[in-house]
Amino acid sequence: SYVLTQPPSVSVAPGKTARITCGGNNVRSKSVHWYQQKAGQAPLLVIFSGSDRPSGIPERFSGSYSGNTATLTISRVEAGDEADYYCQVWDSSVDHPGSVVFGGGTQLTVL
Amino acid sequence: QLQLQESGPGLVKPSDTLSLTCSVSGDSKSRGYYYWGWIRQPPGRGLEWIGSVHYSGSTYYNPSLKSRVTISVDTSNKQFSLKLYSVTAADTAVYYCARLPVGYTNDDAPYYYMDVWGKGTTVTVSS
Repeated sequence: SYVLTQPPSVSVAPGKTARITCGGNNVRSKSVHWYQQKAGQAPLLVIFSGSDRPSGIPERFSGSYSGNTATLTISRVEAGDEADYYCQVWDSSVDHPGSVVFGGGTQLTVL
Repeated sequence: QLQLQESGPGLVKPSDTLSLTCSVSGDSKSRGYYYWGWIRQPPGRGLEWIGSVHYSGSTYYNPSLKSRVTISVDTSNKQFSLKLYSVTAADTAVYYCARLPVGYTNDDAPYYYMDVWGKGTTVTVSS
């Protein structure tokens, strides 16, 4: 089965830039989506289709690819950005019709 | 504005069937364009997709849960449901329902993601 790998934790000072990575085999071909989950809340979609932002998500959130890694970048980090972040792809092949696959999640700490 | 609301028992006995319903309100014109799914999160752990259903009845299931899961849709009542059979303590989790839009890669392959989520409901499996 397809595996997405995220670092367990990332720390950043307020006002700085946070980068959260998501690695997977040929991940660029699969379209990566990103979710923010604050403590006690449901996940919130922050980036879809690699780099698109849903309505209401600040421009400080952006998505990109480099090689076999997708990256969620949060610019000018604020205390309110502290949360768990998950990447996700849709994986399908000749062996199975299709599955949602999540990365293990990254805890973002704002120092 | 689309809203999703999970409902069902908060406590289920081991070996019993976990049954949850997701009620969909708002944005009724486009419901047929989406898949609708269930995701769960055990305490202190990450997200796990359970499966998804289209209003046509077409389904996708997580291969690791497929033998114990049925997801169905009730178009007249604007609901979709989850049944998880033969539950154990490992099925204790917060269960979310969500809407899944479709996109297409450069190779015209479909992909799905979750753009609207319910608030989640906690289910504990215990005797």
